[in-house]
Amino acid sequence: AQSVTQLDSQVPVFEEAPVELRCNYSSSVSVYLFWYVQYPNQGLQLLLKYLSGSTLVKGINGFEAEFNKSQTSFHLRKPSVHISDTAEYFCAVSDVWPVDSSYKLIFGSGTRLLVRP
Amino acid sequence: NAGVTQTPKFRVLKTGQSMTLLCAQDMNHEYMYWYRQDPGMGLRLIHYSVGEGTTAKGEVPDGYNVSRLKKQNFLLGLESAAPSQTSVYFCASKKTTSGLNNEQFFGPGTRLTVL
Repeated sequence: AQSVTQLDSQVPVFEEAPVELRCNYSSSVSVYLFWYVQYPNQGLQLLLKYLSGSTLVKGINGFEAEFNKSQTSFHLRKPSVHISDTAEYFCAVSDVWPVDSSYKLIFGSGTRLLVRP
Repeated sequence: NAGVTQTPKFRVLKTGQSMTLLCAQDMNHEYMYWYRQDPGMGLRLIHYSVGEGTTAKGEVPDGYNVSRLKKQNFLLGLESAAPSQTSVYFCASKKTTSGLNNEQFFGPGTRLTVL
């Protein structure tokens, strides 16, 4: 079964600085990866996803992520953050549920990005 | 389209009380999910449904029941609430044909406190 590790529970950063949120997954033959963002008191929104093709994936709000198969990583980056980027970010990997072969998402524990003025 | 909606947004229960959380989606999605979110633990799957009239257990199903009588609705029930069920509950849905392209659409969440 797949697993996802987000090593950083919280990342403080100043406004306009670059940021990288780390995500590592357990290896698999094929992997589909996602980053979701959760703004305070809201549900999760899809930020970007990697299904195949180019290893650099661009998402909404200026975020991008790079799929690195050899390092089993899918780190999220933004060159210049804004106060409004303050949120919790979840990395997720798609997996097949063995009970009935349906599909499910495995989530990491989340990283809280705190952008300071 | 409203997307995925959840009712209620907040609820406080006493230990032993029961309640039902309602999730509704207007995207004609086959799959629906219930997750709970606890600090430092991400989202954990409680139950899910691959279609009307079908439900299945996820990773943490104990203490919960679900029903999917209509395609657009997925109900989560707590028969006898316990303090350990204090959490934020999220519902999600997705299209069947997306396969491993597992893009799920989430509701705004229900914050439940059990005293």
